[in-house]
Amino acid sequence: DIVMTQSPDSLAVSLGERATINCKSSQSVLYSSNHKNYLGWYQQKPGQPPKLLIYWASTRESGVPDRFSGSGSGTDFTLTISSLQAEDVAVYYCQQYYSTPLTFGGGTKVEIK
Amino acid sequence: QVQLVQSGAEVKKPGSSVKVSCKASGGTFSSYTISWVRQAPGQGLEWMGRIIPILDIANYAQNFQDRVTMTADKPTSTAYMELSSLRSEDTAVYYCASYYDSSGRQTRAFDTWGQGTMVTVSS
Repeated sequence: DIVMTQSPDSLAVSLGERATINCKSSQSVLYSSNHKNYLGWYQQKPGQPPKLLIYWASTRESGVPDRFSGSGSGTDFTLTISSLQAEDVAVYYCQQYYSTPLTFGGGTKVEIK
Repeated sequence: QVQLVQSGAEVKKPGSSVKVSCKASGGTFSSYTISWVRQAPGQGLEWMGRIIPILDIANYAQNFQDRVTMTADKPTSTAYMELSSLRSEDTAVYYCASYYDSSGRQTRAFDTWGQGTMVTVSS
C-alpha cells in the first residue's frame, strides 16, 4: 500500500498570508507512460463531504479559486493557498490514485491566526 | 456532471449488517466508477473499495475484503455498499464518490461526492 504522509497536522495563518501543506508518498505516484502524477487534493469543511481542489497534482478543478495551487512530482507534493481567506478554514487531504488501495493523507487543519 | 444522493442515517446493532445506497443522476451511470470512503468521527478518510459498473467489477480494500459487498443496479443508476458483522468501530460517515471513466480502466480523483450517510453501531 502507498502511505501518504501530510505535514503539518495543523497550521494557523493570518488572513491574506500564504499557507503551505506538504504531502509525501511512500512510493512514486508518477506514471511514466503519460507523465502524470496520480495525486489529488481535497478540502473538507465541517459537516460536508470533501471537495476536489486539485488533480494530476497541479490541475485546478473547475470553479476552484486561483489562490489554490498544487505542485510537486514523484513522491513530494505541495498545496499552496497564496492568500488565505476566511472561507478557506478547513481540513485538507491529499490522495493518491496511482494504485489500489487508494489512500489519503491524514489531513491538515488550516485555521486563522 | 453526475450528482450522487445517498440514503439516510442508520442505527445498527453489533453483528448486524447495513446497506447504504447511492443514486446517481445527470450522467450515464455505467461511465462512472463509484468508490466508497468512510470517515470515523473526528478522523480521516478511508477508502473501502469501488464498483466499476461498465465492467461489473468490484475491488475491495484488504481491511474490508471479508465484510463488504459493493454492487451497482444499472436500470436505477444506484450503487450499493453492504457491510456485515458490524462493530462499534464501524461507526462513521460513509460517502460514495465518483469519477468519469467510460472505459472502466482508468483511475482518477473523485470529482463528485454524495452527501454522506451516518451509520451508528451501538447495542
